[in-house]
Amino acid sequence: AQTVTQSQPEMSVQEAETVTLSCTYDTSESNYYLFWYKQPPSRQMILVIRQEAYKQQNATENRFSVNFQKAAKSFSLKISDSQLGDTAMYFCAFVPRTDSWGKLQFGAGTQVVVTP
Amino acid sequence: DVKVTQSSRYLVKRTGEKVFLECVQDMDHENMFWYRQDPGLGLRLIYFSYDVKMKEKGDIPEGYSVSREKKERFSLILESASTNQTSMYLCASSPTWEGAETQYFGPGTRLLVL
Repeated sequence: AQTVTQSQPEMSVQEAETVTLSCTYDTSESNYYLFWYKQPPSRQMILVIRQEAYKQQNATENRFSVNFQKAAKSFSLKISDSQLGDTAMYFCAFVPRTDSWGKLQFGAGTQVVVTP
Repeated sequence: DVKVTQSSRYLVKRTGEKVFLECVQDMDHENMFWYRQDPGLGLRLIYFSYDVKMKEKGDIPEGYSVSREKKERFSLILESASTNQTSMYLCASSPTWEGAETQYFGPGTRLLVL
């Protein structure tokens, strides 16, 4: 069974600063996918970024980037130049390539609050 | 844009009532999912469906059932609602799984069982 752990229940950051969210996972699979989803106060969950385990290069989407350390089973999300609209709950999620339907395993989430 | 809609944003029901939560997606996706979201627990999969009339149990199916009579619609049924089913319910859909497909989520239904 796979588990996803987000050890920071809440983080606060000032506008324009950088914040890093941690995520670790436990799996015996060698090929899998990792995702970061964002859930703002509107509750609409949206994909922020995804990483394929067999790709060495860390994924980047504008101000969002990941640090994927496969050996350490770590997948952290860095938000640069934080904006008020980044205030949201962030979920890390995992799915092995062997899963036939792409069922995601989610972490408990990290609440990010961006302050002026 | 993919759109996933859920029939209610907020719902208040009594213990023992039968509750239907409806989810509709407009992108012809094969896969649909029902999750419940609770503080400190993240999202947990209740049931999913990979085709019309096909369903599979997720991690926490007890007390729930589902129905998928049409490809675009996936219903979650609480046969006899209980207070421990008070939660946020999220529906999602995705294309056939070939790796790294995004799941698209609805806005959620916050259910309170009294």
